[in-house]
Amino acid sequence: AQSVAQPEDQVNVAEGNPLTVKCTYSVSGNPYLFWYVQYPNRGLQFLLKYITGDNLVKGSYGFEAEFNKSQTSFHLKKPSALVSDSALYFCAVRGFNTDKLIFGTGTRLQVFP
Amino acid sequence: DTAVSQTPKYLVTQMGNDKSIKCEQNLGHDTMYWYKQDSKKFLKIMFSYNNKELIINETVPNRFSPKSPDKAHLNLHINSLELGDSAVYFCASSQDFTLSYEQYFGPGTRLTVT
Repeated sequence: AQSVAQPEDQVNVAEGNPLTVKCTYSVSGNPYLFWYVQYPNRGLQFLLKYITGDNLVKGSYGFEAEFNKSQTSFHLKKPSALVSDSALYFCAVRGFNTDKLIFGTGTRLQVFP
Repeated sequence: DTAVSQTPKYLVTQMGNDKSIKCEQNLGHDTMYWYKQDSKKFLKIMFSYNNKELIINETVPNRFSPKSPDKAHLNLHINSLELGDSAVYFCASSQDFTLSYEQYFGPGTRLTVT
């Protein structure tokens, strides 16, 4: 069965500092990995995805994520956090032989001025 | 133009009632989804339609019935509402159901059953 874990309920970071939001996954075969962001009272917005190719994926709003097959991880990163990045972040995974996107439990990112 | 829209945004109703939530996408996508987000923000797929055909039907009470009149619309009807149905329901769409396409979400419908 496929699964995705976001081990941190909340990540706190000061504005201007780098941020990392962690995600690990478990699927059969090659994974298809996604990051979404949810602002308060809004729907999820797509940030970036890894399908194949370069392990470092760049996405919207200056975010990037690194696919690490040996560690089965897909951590979200940004070199310099903004207060406006404060939101709920979801990692999601889909396995090659499955038809569903499985979401993690979400990580709340709080960026302090 | 809103890519994926849902109506209503808020829905407050009493136990036992029947209600519907409507979803429309203007992206020309073939696949649409319904998700439920509970009070702890956990997001779970309920249904998925591809070109008006049901392709995902999770373990959802049969009080929930999706209907897709055309590939741009996917409505959710809920019969005999229960307290546990209170949640935020999100509609989403993707170009098709193959693996690599990201999903675009609507703004959500917050359902409160009293």
